[in-house]
Amino acid sequence: EVQLVESGGGLVKPGGSLRLSCAASGFTFSSYSMNWVRQAPGKGLEWVSSISSSSSYIYYADSVKGRFTISRDNAKNSLYLQMNSLRAEDTAVYYCAPWGDLELNPGFDYWGQGTLVTVSS
Amino acid sequence: EIVMTQSPATLSVSPGERATLSCRASQSVSSNLAWYQQKPGQAPRLLIYGASTRATGIPARFSGSGSGTEFTLTISSLQSEDFAVYYCQQYNNWPWAFGQGTKVEIK
Repeated sequence: EVQLVESGGGLVKPGGSLRLSCAASGFTFSSYSMNWVRQAPGKGLEWVSSISSSSSYIYYADSVKGRFTISRDNAKNSLYLQMNSLRAEDTAVYYCAPWGDLELNPGFDYWGQGTLVTVSS
Repeated sequence: EIVMTQSPATLSVSPGERATLSCRASQSVSSNLAWYQQKPGQAPRLLIYGASTRATGIPARFSGSGSGTEFTLTISSLQSEDFAVYYCQQYNNWPWAFGQGTKVEIK
């Protein structure tokens, strides 16, 4: 069974930093590109960042470029998101999701439960 | 950057009726489009990928069509469990993007 467990969310002041983690199991983590997708309270989904299976390719949404850094550790089956210079508009539930199902068909077929990040003074 | 626009924002439909949701891309995304369903308090669920291929376990009443810039998600006969918010997502170009969502509510 595919499991994705996000952690590291919490309350942080504007301008502060936070590091999110995602522990993955039930699939060959090192074969999948991994992503962060967020959802502000009462709002829609926003793709945040993607990292390829070997970390060779990394992409960011314009809204977080230069402030957030995605990384992974394939030996630990873990995905990370270092968030710096946080703003109120970064307040959201952050989900990690592999790209593709177990047959590598495209799409976000598996999602964690999400971790809530609240940026407020 | 590709912008995805969904319409309508809210769709009021009676159970058993057909629902048609639209998604438009600001430039061609070929067939690299997915649809998701999200219910309150839950993570999204993948319905369709490749514009028209149902994901594993998705009922046949869900169908997707379109290519290029115009896409449609059709729910042929709405069941009570289908009332939710639906999002399209393009994965043809970076940065990837979701539409703003269409809420399907009970009429």
